[in-house]
Amino acid sequence: GAVVSQHPSRVICKSGTSVKIECRSLDFQATTMFWYRQFPKQSLMLMATSNEGSKATYEQGVEKDKFLINHASLTLSTLTVTSAHPEDSSFYICSALLISGNTIYFGEGSWLTVV
Amino acid sequence: DQQVKQNSPSLSVQEGRISILNCDYTNSMFDYFLWYKKYPAEGPTFLISISSIKDKNEDGRFTVFLNKSAKHLSLHIVPSQPGDSAVYFCAARGKETSGSRLTFGEGTQLTVNP
Repeated sequence: GAVVSQHPSRVICKSGTSVKIECRSLDFQATTMFWYRQFPKQSLMLMATSNEGSKATYEQGVEKDKFLINHASLTLSTLTVTSAHPEDSSFYICSALLISGNTIYFGEGSWLTVV
Repeated sequence: DQQVKQNSPSLSVQEGRISILNCDYTNSMFDYFLWYKKYPAEGPTFLISISSIKDKNEDGRFTVFLNKSAKHLSLHIVPSQPGDSAVYFCAARGKETSGSRLTFGEGTQLTVNP
């Protein structure tokens, strides 16, 4: 079946540095990928919609200059958290839209801890 | 504005019995609904979905019911197994072309006791 892979699964970075998280669709091409963030005991919150070859669409309240999204190919989208702060520590999850348009599969998620 | 709500943060069920997870939505433009299961520190796993043109979809132990007039859907798991213990999210997708973005409920922690 369809598989979406995220890397790294866990990352610790120093405050003020940048960190990149990759999201790959392994068995299919994904023209659209989504990035979510989940704080403890809260729901998944959509951060942005990433379309291959175009600029990402960010949700209200999400800083596009802080959370850089690149969707350079049909199988890879990246999220770069720039100038990370401790409050950015969270569980980041990507998902990819199956070409049929009805099902979205999720990556395993990436734990980011900013110290 | 919480457009998808799961009012029960937790549910505890005995193994072998039925688990019923509920979800309400407010946006009448939603036309496709999905249920995901999520274990701690993992991404959600797709379980089952239903289109707004249907009122029931069944897949093995999982059945989703949709009541459009009440804007309510439910996930039934029968028989429940300890391995079903996880957080269950319902999600809805609108009639839009912006890439099928999903709106999630808050999640319900299901615990199936042996």
